[in-house]
Amino acid sequence: SYVLTQPPSVSVAPGKTARITCGGNNIGSKSVHWYQQKPGQAPVLVVYDDSDRPSGIPERFSGSNSGNTATLTISRVEAGDEADYYCQVWDSSSVDVVFGGGTKLTVL
Amino acid sequence: EVQLLESGGGLVQPGGSLRLSCAASGFTFSSYAMSWVRQAPGKGLEWVSAISGSGGSTYYADSVKGRFTISRDNSKNTLYLQMNSLRAEDTAVYYCAKAVKHYYDSSGAGAFDIWGQGTMVTVSS
Repeated sequence: SYVLTQPPSVSVAPGKTARITCGGNNIGSKSVHWYQQKPGQAPVLVVYDDSDRPSGIPERFSGSNSGNTATLTISRVEAGDEADYYCQVWDSSSVDVVFGGGTKLTVL
Repeated sequence: EVQLLESGGGLVQPGGSLRLSCAASGFTFSSYAMSWVRQAPGKGLEWVSAISGSGGSTYYADSVKGRFTISRDNSKNTLYLQMNSLRAEDTAVYYCAKAVKHYYDSSGAGAFDIWGQGTMVTVSS
């Protein structure tokens, strides 16, 4: 089955840029979606189809996808961005929805 | 307002059964594929099952195949998950989630743009 690999944690100072990676075999050929989950809350979609933003999501959130790595970039990080972030794809080979293991973003 | 509201969670003994429901409102329910996603305590998200907008196609994670059944009643705007032969490792918060497309094709059904608040299922003796 298809595996998505995320770093367990990323730390960044306020105002700086955070980059969260999502690795997978030829992930560049798939559409990658990103979710933000704060403690005790349901996930929220922040980036879809590699780089598009749903309405209401700040422009500070952006995404890219190429080769074997997809990246969620959060610019001008704020304390309120502290959360767990998950990448997700559809694996047509196994007919599965696949989530990455999640990355905890800590704002220093 | 677009909303998903899960219900039906609770405490069940190993080997027991439970049926979860997810009531949808604020959108044309039958036009979108739906999924169940679970999260064990302190763990990440795990996809459980999906169903097309018409209900004609269903998909399951290997971990629940043969034990769980997903279904939907488009006349009642409600998604269901029948869970049988429950195990301790099924303990989790179960979320229902709306996909952006009607059905799953080679590229999937798109992202999950709407999520419910979740319902807790605890499997323990």
